[in-house]
Amino acid sequence: GAVVSQHPSWVICKSGTSVKIECRSLDFQATTMFWYRQFPKQSLMLMATSNEGSKATYEQGVEKDKFLINHASLTLSTLTVTSAHPEDSSFYICSARDSLRLNTEAFFGQGTRLTVV
Amino acid sequence: AQSVAQPEDQVNVAEGNPLTVKCTYSVSGNPYLFWYVQYPNRGLQFLLKYITGDNLVKGSYGFEAEFNKSQTSFHLKKPSALVSDSALYFCAVRVGKLIWGLGTSLAVNP
Repeated sequence: GAVVSQHPSWVICKSGTSVKIECRSLDFQATTMFWYRQFPKQSLMLMATSNEGSKATYEQGVEKDKFLINHASLTLSTLTVTSAHPEDSSFYICSARDSLRLNTEAFFGQGTRLTVV
Repeated sequence: AQSVAQPEDQVNVAEGNPLTVKCTYSVSGNPYLFWYVQYPNRGLQFLLKYITGDNLVKGSYGFEAEFNKSQTSFHLKKPSALVSDSALYFCAVRVGKLIWGLGTSLAVNP
């Protein structure tokens, strides 16, 4: 089946630094990818929709200047958490759907556990 | 407002017994329905989906789900639970974007 690879799977960074998370679709093209944030024992919160070759669409309440999204190719989207603070510590998950196939399910990366100290 | 409800935060079942994880939805139009499973510190794995056709959908790992339009439900079922099925289960509905339930933690006891 389709595979979405997310890297890194975990990262620890100092407060004030930036962290980049990559999301790749390995065997399909994805014009649209999605970035989620998940708090412990809670559901997924959609942060933004990443669109290849154009600006991302952010959900209400998500700071676009803090969570920078770049979708430069049909197989890669990146999320950069800028000037990270401890409250940004969370589990971040990306997902993608095959752009060439209708009615398909979304496939998810394995997630990135971000800890800001 | 469009929503997905998973009324049970936790479901406990003995190994070998049948399990049901409930999901109901409130959306306009004809929804696409999905079930995903999440193991600790991992992303979500797709289990099954309903798009159209037969109301009983069979998916991965022996799971199945029944779409009931009149009750707007899409409950996940498995005839005989395994300890390894213990995980967090999410129901989702796609109407444009995915709308997620809050998840149900399934514990299968040996």
